[in-house]
Amino acid sequence: GDSVTQMEGPVTLSEEAFLTINCTYTATGYPSLFWYVQYPGEGLQLLLKATKADDKGSNKGFEATYRKETTSFHLEKGSVQVSDSAVYFCALGRGNKLVFGAGTILRVKS
Amino acid sequence: GAGVSQSPSNKVTEKGKDVELRCDPISGHTALYWYRQSLGQGLEFLIYFQGNSAPDKSGLPSDRFSAERTGGSVSTLTIQRTQQEDSAVYLCASRPDRTNTGELFFGEGSRLTVL
Repeated sequence: GDSVTQMEGPVTLSEEAFLTINCTYTATGYPSLFWYVQYPGEGLQLLLKATKADDKGSNKGFEATYRKETTSFHLEKGSVQVSDSAVYFCALGRGNKLVFGAGTILRVKS
Repeated sequence: GAGVSQSPSNKVTEKGKDVELRCDPISGHTALYWYRQSLGQGLEFLIYFQGNSAPDKSGLPSDRFSAERTGGSVSTLTIQRTQQEDSAVYLCASRPDRTNTGELFFGEGSRLTVL
């Protein structure tokens, strides 16, 4: 069945460091890919998405490119801020369901 | 309110008791989802409602779990004879359309602790 694997955390970075959170997926067909973020005390919210191969999703300085050849959708940000501290979830959508990864905790220190 | 509302935010119960968790989706959203978030694990799909169609119950872990959606709006997730392994955060989300490219809007969740 469909599945998403993302790197284990927590990831701890200093402010202004470069961020990569790896995400790979297993799915038949052509799913849509998403990154959701959960800030402390809040519900999950969509960060960015890509609906077809080679698409790049971007938002708030975060980017991820849909790579079908490597079945990956890695999240990157050039310079993280303390306010980026949160849990990040990679997900794929096919049909009616979204399948989520386990989540990666990001901690950014000032 | 404008967002997805869930209640209660926290529930502590004793093993064997029944619990009900409520979700108020965003007005006009036809799709409603329940997920379960356990420590160290991803979000586990439980059930999906779309308009007046029969719900997709394929994610419900046992027959102790059930859900209904009245009038295409409010949904209640019921867990009967709770077990300790049911302890988790139960998340509700809604979406305005049928496509898999649409954004899910999540509530803040109901944290269930079974003693």
